[in-house]
Amino acid sequence: AQKVTQAQTEISVVEKEDVTLDCVYETRDTTYYLFWYKQPPSGELVFLIRRNSFDEQNEISGRYSWNFQKSTSSFNFTITASQVVDSAVYFCALSEAANYGQNFVFGPGTRLSVLP
Amino acid sequence: SAVISQKPSRDICQRGTSLTIQCQVDSQVTMMFWYRQQPGQSLTLIATANQGSEATYESGFVIDKFPISRPNLTFSTLTVSNMSPEDSSIYLCSVGGQGIGNTIYFGEGSWLTVV
Repeated sequence: AQKVTQAQTEISVVEKEDVTLDCVYETRDTTYYLFWYKQPPSGELVFLIRRNSFDEQNEISGRYSWNFQKSTSSFNFTITASQVVDSAVYFCALSEAANYGQNFVFGPGTRLSVLP
Repeated sequence: SAVISQKPSRDICQRGTSLTIQCQVDSQVTMMFWYRQQPGQSLTLIATANQGSEATYESGFVIDKFPISRPNLTFSTLTVSNMSPEDSSIYLCSVGGQGIGNTIYFGEGSWLTVV
């Protein structure tokens, strides 16, 4: 069975600090997809990244970077020089290739508060 | 990417009534799903909306309570029937498919409060 764990329930940082959000997943499939979404107070889920299980390259997009390590089943997300607008709940999610989309499993989310 | 519009964005509903949420996508998509997010919780899949046929419900969700329609590849509705305060949640539509890069995108959500 699939499972996504985000051990950090809440994190508070001061603006300009770097922060890493942890995500650990479990799956028996060899082909799967990992996602990160941001949910600001307004409620919508904003897609941030999708990574497939064959691509272990780290990715950087502006102040965001992702570290995918299959050996530890982790897909961590780092925000560099955090800003108040980064305050949101961040969800890590997993979808196995079979029945893609239907078996989407979300982690419990990490609430990030960036203080001015 | 896909632009997803949900209506209503927010509503306050009386106990025992029903409300229909609409989801409109700006392009044809293979997959459409409905999720529920209870206060302070993560997302739970309610059902997969199948075009032209009955939706596929997840364990714990039934058609009588959450009837779903999907008449075409760009539109779906979710009805929350006979509402109780426990139904107070954000309901989110999501879409996916090759035409939008195989990524799963979400609508803005519909915040329902049942009083």
